[in-house]
Amino acid sequence: DQQVKQNSPSLSVQEGRISILNCDYTNSMFDYFLWYKKYPAEGPTFLISISSIKDKNEDGRFTVFLNKSAKHLSLHIVPSQPGDSAVYFCAAREYGNKLVFGAGTILRVKS
Amino acid sequence: DVKVTQSSRYLVKRTGEKVFLECVQDMDHENMFWYRQDPGLGLRLIYFSYDVKMKEKGDIPEGYSVSREKKERFSLILESASTNQTSMYLCASSPTPTLSYNSPLHFGNGTRLTVT
Repeated sequence: DQQVKQNSPSLSVQEGRISILNCDYTNSMFDYFLWYKKYPAEGPTFLISISSIKDKNEDGRFTVFLNKSAKHLSLHIVPSQPGDSAVYFCAAREYGNKLVFGAGTILRVKS
Repeated sequence: DVKVTQSSRYLVKRTGEKVFLECVQDMDHENMFWYRQDPGLGLRLIYFSYDVKMKEKGDIPEGYSVSREKKERFSLILESASTNQTSMYLCASSPTPTLSYNSPLHFGNGTRLTVT
């Protein structure tokens, strides 16, 4: 049973608009959440993270929001750029060093 | 910059063969991991290691083993390859025992293994 779910397999957005990627989780013991980005033929790279004691974290065009009561987090990319086209994985830290990943969402930013 | 190198980008093996996937990191990281990535399932942890000669099972260790004889090298072994082990295999490392904001996982570029 997947503890971290990304229910949208793909998302298509126009360049310059906002991209919103969503992630739901079931384990209330998760204490840290991360987003990774993956281009074809490359390994995932760390993008942004948020601790469970916060509800928002920003880094340039990327903002992650956490709603603990709903067990939901989202990644906002504003403005979206064609170079943002990639697979985005949501991940949650269960304890110590173990990460649980979602299935990923393919983002396509159209120019 | 951290570099995690996986020795093969593509491998094709036959059912029943013993398969070795090699991973080397150049940053003296303590922790190393093997994941597999499958469509619709994301990344799933196979095995990880906190130190030389130490190993811990992940979520899907069946059919796999690992070896960590040196700190920089972590090998994944498929004892008898089967078609359901066809997948993308990703190696990763991290410098600290606990993942945090400034010490996330660093991934290699992956090995696409096909078992026929």
